[in-house]
Amino acid sequence: GAVVSQHPSRVICKSGTSVKIECRSLDFQATTMFWYRQFPKQSLMLMATSNEGSKATYEQGVEKDKFLINHASLTLSTLTVTSAHPEDSSFYICSARETGRRSNQPQHFGDGTRLSIL
Amino acid sequence: ILNVEQSPQSLHVQEGDSTNFTCSFPSSNFYALHWYRWETAKSPEALFVMTLNGDEKKKGRISATLNTKEGYSYLYIKGSQPEDSATYLCASIPYNQGGKLIFGQGTELSVKP
Repeated sequence: GAVVSQHPSRVICKSGTSVKIECRSLDFQATTMFWYRQFPKQSLMLMATSNEGSKATYEQGVEKDKFLINHASLTLSTLTVTSAHPEDSSFYICSARETGRRSNQPQHFGDGTRLSIL
Repeated sequence: ILNVEQSPQSLHVQEGDSTNFTCSFPSSNFYALHWYRWETAKSPEALFVMTLNGDEKKKGRISATLNTKEGYSYLYIKGSQPEDSATYLCASIPYNQGGKLIFGQGTELSVKP
């Protein structure tokens, strides 16, 4: 149980393209989902907390107009990298916390998306 | 300590060796600590959720301890097997911040047969 599907797993596209990444909880509902980014040899860094039906909460330094987050249902959150540039190339991964679980409980992760902007 | 730090960054051991890693985290405003196991091309998988000072948890050959006063946790693997090869991540959860995880950079373990 507790499977999170993240799609696509790999994207290669030209500079200026907008890229949408989906994060779905397959067998549970997730009021809260999280988006992380990882640069080579660095730790997973939280970008934003996504709450179903409300605006996402972005971490300091993360541009909300650049990284659009939508969490329109209890099983789906999307991250759109708008007008992507080479510096946006990175590994993006989502996680979900099952609705009703305490905030100290483990999160369930997707497999991640490797984004490469040419 | 302001960040979560893990050591060593990487570790190469022989099958059958026992090993341990360290996670240091801010002791102030502590709520919980998670350990995750991340195999290549897979998603991170939760190993332990630790909340109380002195906690010790065990799952098979893997165990973890927690010291919230000094801000560290140890992960131990007894009799390492090649299938234990993975990156082990710890993440601190500060109190009253919606459950956000602050990750260390991970310890990459390679177990040779």
